Amino acid sequence: KAGVTQTPRYLIKTRGQQVTLSCSPISGHRSVSWYQQTPGQGLQFLFEYFSETQRNKGNFPGRFSGRQFSNSRSEMNVSTLELGDSALYLCASSAVGGLAGQETQYFGPGTRLLVL
Amino acid sequence: KQEVTQIPAALSVPEGENLVLNCSFTDSAIYNLQWFRQDPGKGLTSLLLIQSSQREQTSGRLNASLDKSSGRSTLYIAASQPGDSATYLCAVVSSNTGKLIFGQGTTLQVKP
Repeated sequence: KAGVTQTPRYLIKTRGQQVTLSCSPISGHRSVSWYQQTPGQGLQFLFEYFSETQRNKGNFPGRFSGRQFSNSRSEMNVSTLELGDSALYLCASSAVGGLAGQETQYFGPGTRLLVL
Repeated sequence: KQEVTQIPAALSVPEGENLVLNCSFTDSAIYNLQWFRQDPGKGLTSLLLIQSSQREQTSGRLNASLDKSSGRSTLYIAASQPGDSATYLCAVVSSNTGKLIFGQGTTLQVKP
């Protein structure tokens, strides 16, 4: 069974631009969560989607948004990029869903975003 | 507000040693605690998940314990190998928010 895939793997943008990241969960998984990882703040929860609905949200500004499609694939969008948005963005999927983390989550390799 | 702390931040041991990684959390209201492994430039791999009602979980050379009342967990690695070199992350799911909250991790180096 294929794992969680994320595209693109690397991305360079400039301040003020917007970016869209994509995540394909493991086949059959319905819950997708997004995390931001930086050296200073560590891993922080962004949001979780289940059956196309955002079920939980972290403490990030409204510039960070996401959505989930009927095939469970998810996208994350960041508008008006700032230098501090440079990070590794990780996506994770889980089978049944429930609140993120209540069951084993399977992580993708991440998208490394650099904002110049 | 739930906070997760991992000590030490880095650890270097010779191959074959048994070692313990520590994780502490400030709020005992958790659904579960999980240990992850992260290799450089890669995503996370789930190692062990301990439900709040459990005291420990074992997988191969790994054993994780949970003491919810004291807000502590340990990850025991037996007979360490160079392939165990990675960053180990502890995370708890808060019962109040349902969010997965991570510690900053312990970077382990096992020398041949």
